Parts: sequence; C-alpha cells; structure tokens
Amino acid sequence: DAGVTQSPTHLIKTRGQQVTLRCSPKSGHDTVSWYQQALGQGPQFIFQYYEEEERQRGNFPDRFSGHQFPNYSSELNVNALLLGDSALYLCASSLRGTYQPQHFGDGTRLSIL
Amino acid sequence: DAKTTQPTSMDCAEGRAANLPCNHSTISGNEYVYWYRQIHSQGPQYIIHGLKNNETNEMASLIITEDRKSSTLILPHATLRDTAVYYCIVSPSYGQNFVFGPGTRLSVLP
Repeated sequence: DAGVTQSPTHLIKTRGQQVTLRCSPKSGHDTVSWYQQALGQGPQFIFQYYEEEERQRGNFPDRFSGHQFPNYSSELNVNALLLGDSALYLCASSLRGTYQPQHFGDGTRLSIL
Repeated sequence: DAKTTQPTSMDCAEGRAANLPCNHSTISGNEYVYWYRQIHSQGPQYIIHGLKNNETNEMASLIITEDRKSSTLILPHATLRDTAVYYCIVSPSYGQNFVFGPGTRLSVLP
C-alpha cells in the first residue's frame, strides 16, 4: 500500500521563476493538504483540496496556488519565487469527514538562488 | 498560533521510557490530540491520536488527563532511532488543518 508520494524530491530555482510540485495521496484518501516548512520550524498550512476545489487556506499570498485532479492527486504552484520561499514543501492526505490522521509525504526541498 | 505547548528539548537514555508532555488547556470537546514525529529530512510520521481515553499502539502510549488539558506521549523503550522532533497537535475540525508548534526535540542517548 503506497503512502503519500511527492515529486521531485529536490529542486533548485532562481528568483522570479515559477515551480510546480506534485503529490499523490495515500490509497483511499480523498483530501490533500499542503504545508511549508522552513528550516528549524514546524510545518505551516498552505491550503487544502478535496472534490477538486480549494476548501481551506492558510496565510499565504496568491502566488501560491494549487489544483486537485479527479484521481485525487494534487499540484502546488508557486509563481514569482522569492528567496524566502526556500523550504521543505510537504503534502499530506486524509479521508474527509473523519478524525483519522493525516499521512505525510517526505516532501520536496525547494531552494531559491 | 498552535494550541499546544511543549518543552523545547528533552534527553532520554537508550532503553528507558521517554515521556513527552504536552499542554493543551484550551482544547474543545470535539478536538482530538494527535502526535507526530519528524526525523531529519523526512516528513512527519503519525504516531498516535486520542480523544479522552488512553490509547496504545505498537509505537507508543498516549495518556490524556481527565480534564483533557494535557497529555503525555510515552515511548516505552526508547532507541537511538527515536531521536526526532515530536509534535503534539490539537485538531480543530474534521478538516484537519493542523497547526504545528515548534515541537520537542528528543535526543536518545546511548
């Protein structure tokens, strides 16, 4: 039973560029959440998708956008990259309407030069 | 802001029990307590969760006080591989928009 998978594992971009990160949820899960984790800090919630729509959003600018596909996989897009966007981006999946725990992938390490 | 407070760091001797405390004095009646850990360069790993009763699984035990204002995660026989940052999270709703604090950095010493 595959868990949450994310790609790529590492990515290097320069300021001003755009990036797309991908996530496949754990089998049986229909909800995907994205988190940003800066070095030395806990993860911060970016947004959550289910039924192919953004349902909740944290305190992140519109440069951060996402998408969920009919197979429940998801993408995180970040435009006009800033140095401060350097972080580990984590995807978590869960089953909507339950208190069952979220399962996290190992993240994409994004470095902005 | 996170609804939980945890010590910044703790040490534990290998083979001994590790007891990690968490305060969540403003927890609501329908909120669960979740524990995750994060080993360097990996995503957070689910450990255990509970509502009001004590819970045990193959990884750990969770003790929640009767008033639900605090809890303790117990790793019964800590190993070097248990060295990690441990996060205590109170879930606000079915939506599970987790709010992480800085967690407790547990160092298991040989």
